[in-house]
Amino acid sequence: GAGVSQSPRYKVAKRGQDVALRCDPISGHVSLFWYQQALGQGPEFLTYFQNEAQLDKSGLPSDRFFAERPEGSVSTLKIQRTQQEDSAVYLCASSLGPGAVYYFGPGTRLLVL
Amino acid sequence: AQKVTQAQTEISVVEKEDVTLDCVYETRDTTYYLFWYKQPPSGELVFLIRRNSFDEQNEISGRYSWNFQKSTSSFNFTITASQVVDSAVYFCALGRRPNTGNQFYFGTGTSLTVIP
Repeated sequence: GAGVSQSPRYKVAKRGQDVALRCDPISGHVSLFWYQQALGQGPEFLTYFQNEAQLDKSGLPSDRFFAERPEGSVSTLKIQRTQQEDSAVYLCASSLGPGAVYYFGPGTRLLVL
Repeated sequence: AQKVTQAQTEISVVEKEDVTLDCVYETRDTTYYLFWYKQPPSGELVFLIRRNSFDEQNEISGRYSWNFQKSTSSFNFTITASQVVDSAVYFCALGRRPNTGNQFYFGTGTSLTVIP
């Protein structure tokens, strides 16, 4: 497709479950970002990839959060032992490279019960 | 530290009125980028504009215009003759120069409601 896609669009998890969120960036985009958006707030940075290298993971809130992009294209954000405070929209964005415009996907809305 | 402030949480206007959304930023970087994104109810962030810190020319795109003033660290967004389809949350964001960090810093957003 022409844009960034994310799946699933909605995920309901029981507290303690592991979840995996997928991001398909725009073809050819080198840079990939994950953001977390709590209700009524602006997106907050989680992590950044340039190709397959994770160059910045300073925004990951705990060691339960893990992201990978093994072939420099699709990325997966994994959250282990989910907690209620993990409930948020997880946004993926891609760009041609550092400093270029970010294009965002529709997000995955995660609800942890 | 980098910070973006959007002091207006919610704004309501009647259709065809003009509306200005305020954005104030803080950074010690001399080179940086400023952005506006629109988030309609569907949730997807839609890119509107990107500005480099060294380019203070104002820009107009149809009904949209942007006023960048480095002296006051502001990057305000005006919608002229607002329409119902403009109803959304608008985010201002600050991006750092590559190699000093690649993340965006978003404001908390301004929710705009255009009443028909």
